Amino acid sequence: DTGVSQNPRHKITKRGQNVTFRCDPISEHNRLYWYRQTLGQGPEFLTYFQNEAQLEKSRLLSDRFSAERPKGSFSTLEIQRTEQGDSAMYLCASSLGRYNSPLHFGNGTRLTVT
Amino acid sequence: AQTVTQSQPEMSVQEAETVTLSCTYDTSESDYYLFWYKQPPSRQMILVIRQEAYKQQNATENRFSVNFQKAAKSFSLKISDSQLGDAAMYFCAYIRRDAGNMLTFGGGTRLMVKP
Repeated sequence: DTGVSQNPRHKITKRGQNVTFRCDPISEHNRLYWYRQTLGQGPEFLTYFQNEAQLEKSRLLSDRFSAERPKGSFSTLEIQRTEQGDSAMYLCASSLGRYNSPLHFGNGTRLTVT
Repeated sequence: AQTVTQSQPEMSVQEAETVTLSCTYDTSESDYYLFWYKQPPSRQMILVIRQEAYKQQNATENRFSVNFQKAAKSFSLKISDSQLGDAAMYFCAYIRRDAGNMLTFGGGTRLMVKP
C-alpha cells in the first residue's frame, strides 16, 4: 500500500495564473475526493469521483475550478485565474465504495497565491 | 445541513495522562457514522476511530475510546496514557448513510502533549 500521493507538495503562483494539482489514489480505491483546508480549519469538501464519474460538486467549487479523473485512476484539480483567496491546502483522499469506508488522505498540496 | 462543532481550539495534556476532546454535531438523520481523524504537523490525516450511530457500544481502539451520546449528539474522544506522538490536530467528522462519503469536519482541536 503506497498510500495516496499528491504533487506538487507546494505551489507558489501569482494571482491570475492557472495551476494544476495531481492526485494518485490507492490503486484499489474507486472513490476519490478533493477537500480544501485553510489554516486552522477543518477540511471542506470540494468534489468526489466514483471511478471516472464526478458525482458531486460543492458550491465552493466555482467555475474557475475543474477536476477530472480520466479512466478512473489519477485525478487532477485545476484552478484558473487564481485569486489570493484560493491560498489553502488542497487535500486528496480515496476510499473503497462503501459510505462508511474510511478516507485515506494524501499529504496535500499547499497553494500560495501572491 | 449537518454541522460539526469542536468547542476546544487547543488542549494540552501531560504525558501518560488522559485527555478528552469534545465534539457535538447537528443532524436530523438517524443512520450515520462519526469519525475522529488525526493530523500531525506537516503529515497526512489518518483515521483514529469510528462509530456507527446505531451501535450503542462505544468504539475503542487501543488507547483511544469514544463517548457517544446519540440523544445529546455528542461524540467525545478520550486518549489514555497520552504519548508525545499524540500531539496533532484532531478533527471530528460526520457522514450520513446516503451522503456519498461526503464527510463534514469540525474545526479541529490542537492537542499538545507535555513531557
